Amino acid sequence: GESVGLHLPTLSVQEGDNSIINCAYSNSASDYFIWYKQESGKGPQFIIDIRSNMDKRQGQRVTVLLNKTVKHLSLQIAATQPGDSAVYFCADLYGNKLVFGAGTILRVKS
Amino acid sequence: NAGVTQTPKFRILKIGQSMTLQCTQDMNHNYMYWYRQDPGMGLKLIYYSVGAGITDKGEVPNGYNVSRSTTEDFPLRLELAAPSQTSVYFCASSTNDRDNEQFFGPGTRLTVL
Repeated sequence: GESVGLHLPTLSVQEGDNSIINCAYSNSASDYFIWYKQESGKGPQFIIDIRSNMDKRQGQRVTVLLNKTVKHLSLQIAATQPGDSAVYFCADLYGNKLVFGAGTILRVKS
Repeated sequence: NAGVTQTPKFRILKIGQSMTLQCTQDMNHNYMYWYRQDPGMGLKLIYYSVGAGITDKGEVPNGYNVSRSTTEDFPLRLELAAPSQTSVYFCASSTNDRDNEQFFGPGTRLTVL
């Protein structure tokens, strides 16, 4: 079935280091992926997206990598800051519906 | 623009009570969505709408109803509240295109006792 899941539930990084958050998806027909950030008590906030005809996309301090061969998605955050502490979700667009993974907690240590 | 607004922010219901969660967006988005998020979990789609007068079931529609009489509003109705519906509910909207960013509201925290 269509499902999106994350390998690591919690990631702790030192401030200034790079963070890598991973995500596996199961629907090989998926053609659009999004990363969301959710801070405590708030709704998810869009970070970056990527279409299946790309394998890399860069934003401001963030990069998303897509490996369709192994159905794997990753979010890289450069120079991680305390404000990056949040839960990060990958989501896969299946038809008109976004399917969310369980999320990864990112904790930034100062 | 206020974006996506939701009311109420918090609500406690007794088993069997009913209520409507309100959602409004002022971005003229055709697509609107309702999700629920259980503690420590991702979001699950309850219902969605691709335009006024059109609604479709998501992954977990049982126990809920929706309507979409206007582009701006997408209320979610719980008819007979059950403890399993204790969750945080998020409304979202997106533009006409299929693969576009969804904008989320701040959420409604519902507890059913």
